[in-house]
Amino acid sequence: KNEVEQSPQNLTAQEGEFITINCSYSVGISALHWLQQHPGGGIVSLFMLSSGKKKHGRLIATINIQEKHSSLHITASHPRDSAVYICAVRKSGNTPLVFGKGTRLSVIA
Amino acid sequence: KAGVTQTPRYLIKTRGQQVTLSCSPISGHRSVSWYQQTPGQGLQFLFEYFSETQRNKGNFPGRFSGRQFSNSRSEMNVSTLELGDSALYLCASEGQGTGELFFGEGSRLTVL
Repeated sequence: KNEVEQSPQNLTAQEGEFITINCSYSVGISALHWLQQHPGGGIVSLFMLSSGKKKHGRLIATINIQEKHSSLHITASHPRDSAVYICAVRKSGNTPLVFGKGTRLSVIA
Repeated sequence: KAGVTQTPRYLIKTRGQQVTLSCSPISGHRSVSWYQQTPGQGLQFLFEYFSETQRNKGNFPGRFSGRQFSNSRSEMNVSTLELGDSALYLCASEGQGTGELFFGEGSRLTVL
């Protein structure tokens, strides 16, 4: 079993829908990252969380440390949100990131 | 402020050759990490450098090596290339004390 599990693996939504992507992890962590990767390869860091909730525009990320679970929400989804969303955790201070397999999101106009 | 720069962006090699990839981090960032991304395995950690010292190493064979220079630029080298080394190689630099990551566009290696 992977240390970081994401669900769903694939997601298709209509433009305007509210989207939730989930990430569960099995180890203690110091931080969790949500990353976005568009076709072509480049990765953008969306959020880094160690507790609570963060919001940036239409994106909201939450984390529950006790339940070892994080969610990424996209409100009023748009075709430009189509990308792979990757959850990654850092167990402590200077340890390497451990990645989930990613969630491929397609938003249809 | 310039972002993380990786060169070359695309390259094609044949089995048995070697390859060197370069990563220039954001100015002032001293931590550089490297990742391999393949369709089957997803993103996997290769190594991390901080102030010219390797701080962590992933589970890859010794054919994969790296280094960091005094200006924080980093290189990774893969020797005796195998078909399975075909992948997107990404590097990221980390904000000083913030943990925030900034990724380059990647170097896409094809081994024939």
